[in-house]
Amino acid sequence: DAGVIQSPRHEVTEMGQEVTLRCKPISGHDYLFWYRQTMMRGLELLIYFNNNVPIDDSGMPEDRFSAKMPNASFSTLKIQPSEPRDSAVYFCASSLDAIEQFFGPGTRLTVL
Amino acid sequence: AQKITQTQPGMFVQEKEAVTLDCTYDTSDPSYGLFWYKQPSSGEMIFLIYQGSYDQQNATEGRYSLNFQKARKSANLVISASQLGDSAMYFCAMRDSSGTYKYIFGTGTRLKVLA
Repeated sequence: DAGVIQSPRHEVTEMGQEVTLRCKPISGHDYLFWYRQTMMRGLELLIYFNNNVPIDDSGMPEDRFSAKMPNASFSTLKIQPSEPRDSAVYFCASSLDAIEQFFGPGTRLTVL
Repeated sequence: AQKITQTQPGMFVQEKEAVTLDCTYDTSDPSYGLFWYKQPSSGEMIFLIYQGSYDQQNATEGRYSLNFQKARKSANLVISASQLGDSAMYFCAMRDSSGTYKYIFGTGTRLKVLA
């Protein structure tokens, strides 16, 4: 079984550019989570979906951040426009029961 | 408001010894879940163990056990028979169950297992 797949693994972009992070959850998992990890703020939940519906986006830092899940096998996290303070590792995780979460390898984003 | 506290930024343990990683939490929700995750230097997050607030017994998963003391609001992780591969960051996390799930993570404890 393939685990959670994230792309790209690394992204370097200039301030002001649009960034799109992608996630393919484990097949059959009903929950999908987006996290951000930084040294300063630790691991933060940004948003989560249940059956493709966004349930809680209270962790999304600003309107520059948006997330979609058009179907059960794909989700995107978009930052537009990006800023240097958005530099972080972004994790996607999926879960069958919202208890055991399976994390992807993460996308390391650097905004110059 | 929910809060998770991990007071040990770093810990050392001798191989084959047991180690306890501390975690205290605060919530006003009577129904909640407590989790531990491991993050090796490679960066991935690995789920270790879960304890529900109404579970009567402490959770165990192989060499991992969660010492749940509800009255003291603590959820310590015990790793028995430490192995070199246990060297990693360990995060305690909590999820409340009122309405939507709110997950929060502690700041982590870096464990180093010594040969």
